[in-house]
Amino acid sequence: AQSVTQLGSHVSVSEGALVLLRCNYSSSVPPYLFWYVQYPNQGLQLLLKYTSAATLVKGINGFEAEFKKSETSFHLTKPSAHMSDAAEYFCAVNSGGSNYKLTFGKGTLLTVNP
Amino acid sequence: KAGVTQTPRYLIKTRGQQVTLSCSPISGHRSVSWYQQTPGQGLQFLFEYFSETQRNKGNFPGRFSGRQFSNSRSEMNVSTLELGDSALYLCASSLQGGYAEAFFGQGTRLTVV
Repeated sequence: AQSVTQLGSHVSVSEGALVLLRCNYSSSVPPYLFWYVQYPNQGLQLLLKYTSAATLVKGINGFEAEFKKSETSFHLTKPSAHMSDAAEYFCAVNSGGSNYKLTFGKGTLLTVNP
Repeated sequence: KAGVTQTPRYLIKTRGQQVTLSCSPISGHRSVSWYQQTPGQGLQFLFEYFSETQRNKGNFPGRFSGRQFSNSRSEMNVSTLELGDSALYLCASSLQGGYAEAFFGQGTRLTVV
């Protein structure tokens, strides 16, 4: 079975501050991990994905995430928040095999204050 | 390259009715997945199709069904609608599913009254 836990349903930062969104996963096999962003009334946009090639993954819009097997974590970071980063962020896991689905966390709403 | 297209974007239905939602995947993509998004339950997997075959199904009642056509377009159907079926329904396409990167459509907002 696979599962994802996102710590903090709501994170608020100031513009220019570090963004840190936390994600922990549970998987019985080496997972593939994803971060998606959702703007109001929109679908999901892929920010980045971990596919075992490198533990530090760079994505779009200046975001990156580090896979830490020992901590079963895949936290999303951005050095300097921008107003346009305000959105909901979802971490997802796929354990492959015949499991053709993504399991999502509950999401973290990021607010960026001017 | 066109993205994933879902129609309609918004839908209002009455309890007991049925509804059909449509998804056109990115050209060349053979896997289509459907997800239900609600404030309470978050994003939940409904089912996945690949080359017209359902490969995986989530934990939803039989009122929820889907199919995929030979051109990879997919439809999902919900019969005997309940108030709790009100949600954003998202379709995702990928080359082959599984580990492959999934691209999402903008969703269909279904409201059941």
